[in-house]
Amino acid sequence: DAGVIQSPRHEVTEMGQEVTLRCKPISGHDYLFWYRQTMMRGLELLIYFNNNVPIDDSGMPEDRFSAKMPNASFSTLKIQPSEPRDSAVYFCASSLDGIPYNEQFFGPGTRLTVL
Amino acid sequence: AQSVAQPEDQVNVAEGNPLTVKCTYSVSGNPYLFWYVQYPNRGLQFLLKYITGDNLVKGSYGFEAEFNKSQTSFHLKKPSALVSDSALYFCAVRDVGYYGNNRLAFGKGNQVVVIP
Repeated sequence: DAGVIQSPRHEVTEMGQEVTLRCKPISGHDYLFWYRQTMMRGLELLIYFNNNVPIDDSGMPEDRFSAKMPNASFSTLKIQPSEPRDSAVYFCASSLDGIPYNEQFFGPGTRLTVL
Repeated sequence: AQSVAQPEDQVNVAEGNPLTVKCTYSVSGNPYLFWYVQYPNRGLQFLLKYITGDNLVKGSYGFEAEFNKSQTSFHLKKPSALVSDSALYFCAVRDVGYYGNNRLAFGKGNQVVVIP
């Protein structure tokens, strides 16, 4: 298995532009998580899905952020409009069955820079 | 609420010496505990986990961790550190008692620097 796949790996954009980050979870995993990592705030959970349904989006910072999971093999995180404070590394992770003690598998991340 | 504390920002250790990275946790019920490692420009990689049973858990790359319920700790250890162990280490906890909870609470991370 190729693991969790994220694209793009790097994104540089200007303030006000729309940004879309993509994630393909490990095949068969039914939980998908989006995290954001910054020096100041560390690793933050933004939202997670179970069987393509959003379960907890309490970590989404504001309405500019939205996430979708149209099918079991694809998810997107969109920021519109983007702001410089959104600059961070965004990780996607997936896990099997949601059994509490199953570890999460992380993708390589997307480094977003908003100028 | 579940939370994790990693009290040290950076841990410096000489190659060949024992390595310890500290973690304490807070949950309302019983914990599931995890350690992850992050190398530069990479995602987090799973190292080991505690679910139940033996308090000493062995994981990847020679790492182990000891669960101590009375001290609410789950320190990561390695008997002999390698330069290649230099990375960012995260402790995480999930509260077993919270039905439907699939959130992991991560600590802020500890930078480990192994000096040749």
